[in-house]
Amino acid sequence: GIQVEQSPPDLILQEGANSTLRCNFSDSVNNLQWFHQNPWGQLINLFYIPSGTKQNGRLSATTVATERYSLLYISSSQTTDSGVYFCVEGAQKLVFGQGTRLTINP
Amino acid sequence: ETGVTQTPRHLVMGMTNKKSLKCEQHLGHNAMYWYKQSAKKPLELMFVYSLEERVENNSVPSRFSPECPNSSHLFLHLHTLQPEDSALYLCASSQVISGGYSPLHFGNGTRLTVT
Repeated sequence: GIQVEQSPPDLILQEGANSTLRCNFSDSVNNLQWFHQNPWGQLINLFYIPSGTKQNGRLSATTVATERYSLLYISSSQTTDSGVYFCVEGAQKLVFGQGTRLTINP
Repeated sequence: ETGVTQTPRHLVMGMTNKKSLKCEQHLGHNAMYWYKQSAKKPLELMFVYSLEERVENNSVPSRFSPECPNSSHLFLHLHTLQPEDSALYLCASSQVISGGYSPLHFGNGTRLTVT
């Protein structure tokens, strides 16, 4: 089955910094989603982005399906952005990356 | 092999049936979750149990009834479902830690079809 790899595994930044999280796939993707697991355990959907670019406030995501990767950009980071970010592929079966743990220090 | 096991993997049921989904985690976690993944829709949180108490119920219809008898087991009891309830149901677990929760670990899901 498809393999999903995320990088970096951990990222520590100061408030106000920008960050880029990456997700690589071993096969083509059709149902890619990005999630944020906040420090209280809730998993929040950020983007459904099988291809192209989407933006929502300080967050944006780009998926280049032909090159099998997706990027999540966070600009002007805030402490509330801390948590674990997952990329997930699939519909019949969901395949999760291992996550990127982001820590934003005040 | 996943530390979160869900059974059955596939389930087909009629609208008048009663069935249950089972989840078991072998990771020593103390929080468990039910999520619903419908086609072409974002993953939806249904229920959260933390330390065996329900702490989240995201406006889920009463035809879905969760049960958490202990920190390792989670059930989702189903009755009088509708065809639009057909979806992939995912169980997850995590650990309550100081400052929040550890990363979620997901099971492989139960593919439910309501006829």
